[in-house]
Amino acid sequence: SQQGEEDPQALSIQEGENATMNCSYKTSINNLQWYRQNSGRGLVHLILIRSNEREKHSGRLRVTLDTSKKSSSLLITASRAADTASYFCATPGAQKLVFGQGTRLTINP
Amino acid sequence: EAQVTQNPRYLITVTGKKLTVTCSQNMNHEYMSWYRQDPGLGLRQIYYSMNVEVTDKGDVPEGYKVSRKEKRNFPLILESPSPNQTSLYFCASSWNRGNTEAFFGQGTRLTVV
Repeated sequence: SQQGEEDPQALSIQEGENATMNCSYKTSINNLQWYRQNSGRGLVHLILIRSNEREKHSGRLRVTLDTSKKSSSLLITASRAADTASYFCATPGAQKLVFGQGTRLTINP
Repeated sequence: EAQVTQNPRYLITVTGKKLTVTCSQNMNHEYMSWYRQDPGLGLRQIYYSMNVEVTDKGDVPEGYKVSRKEKRNFPLILESPSPNQTSLYFCASSWNRGNTEAFFGQGTRLTVV
């Protein structure tokens, strides 16, 4: 059962530009998480935002959560080549985290 | 350093030859799980464990077994691997099943020929 859906599926931007990825989900949640995956490697936790929070920052990352629209966005500012990766949103399921299909972000030099 | 260690990283095996992928975490987490990742299908949970000696099926458990004899270890066992189990496998651990950060291993790329 898929809870989160990321949009777009792929995004290619120039280094230094900002990148925005969106996640929509279907059922009520108490938190939403974002993860990054470099090619073929394990997922790395980026940020967790709780349902009573609207916005959260971590370095160059900004995450928003709109529970009325059941959506979240991840903004990466001043992108770098090292930000090239896939980004996943994840929401709590019955007995697990449920991941979306991810957004593949490419930062061009 | 907090980490989840999986071994091996890469494995090529033949159909029917039993194999075990090991997973160990050093954070004293109660919850551990196994996922497989396939193109177009995303991450799918195979099995999970809420604590020692407590395991349960995820979304795609067929062809897999797990055990949780100690809190830190959660091996994934393929008794008779088949080509459709060729995939990228991840072990993960966390304090609980979905409300805290999950730590992932580096992955095991398995090819069954």
